[in-house]
Amino acid sequence: GQNIDQPTEMTATEGAIVQINCTYQTSGFNGLFWYQQHAGEAPTFLSYNVLDGLEEKGRFSSFLSRSKGYSYLLLKELQMKDSASYLCAVMDSNYQLIWGAGTKLIIKP
Amino acid sequence: ETGVTQTPRHLVMGMTNKKSLKCEQHLGHNAMYWYKQSAKKPLELMFVYSLEERVENNSVPSRFSPECPNSSHLFLHLHTLQPEDSALYLCASSQDRGGGADTQYFGPGTRLTVL
Repeated sequence: GQNIDQPTEMTATEGAIVQINCTYQTSGFNGLFWYQQHAGEAPTFLSYNVLDGLEEKGRFSSFLSRSKGYSYLLLKELQMKDSASYLCAVMDSNYQLIWGAGTKLIIKP
Repeated sequence: ETGVTQTPRHLVMGMTNKKSLKCEQHLGHNAMYWYKQSAKKPLELMFVYSLEERVENNSVPSRFSPECPNSSHLFLHLHTLQPEDSALYLCASSQDRGGGADTQYFGPGTRLTVL
């Protein structure tokens, strides 16, 4: 079967750095997405990786290793507004998104 | 502002009621999706429409009935639901269906409670 694993919850301190990991086993691979979802709001697109390596976008970076079936989202200079759930999703060979259950990130002052 | 709107935002209904959820996208996209999001579970894809034709139905019970009258609007008709159907129902759209980099954009969801 297809599976996406990410930690259920993480806690970090304002101003610090946090890395949220995602491992996947899917039928084919057509890219990996990270979304942010604040409580009661829509998931919003953060990043897309299809080739190995690091993609940097301001305070957020996303890394992919296809051979390891592994990705991480790196958040730097954490702000209170970064408290949210972070969803990892992989597009399989049928171009269907397979989703993880999300990682709830709690930022403490 | 995501360009995808959903109404209502909250809905409480009894098991014998009939109601409809509405989604509208203002992005000029060709594909639209219904997802179910339950607490601490992955998003579950329910239906996919591409150019107003249903292309996927992921074994969803018949008490959920989608309708896509045009590429900008998507409905989910609900009847004789069960309490376990209580969840957040999310609508999304993407430019097309089938491209690897085709990002999906989500609406804010309808929080459904079935009594």
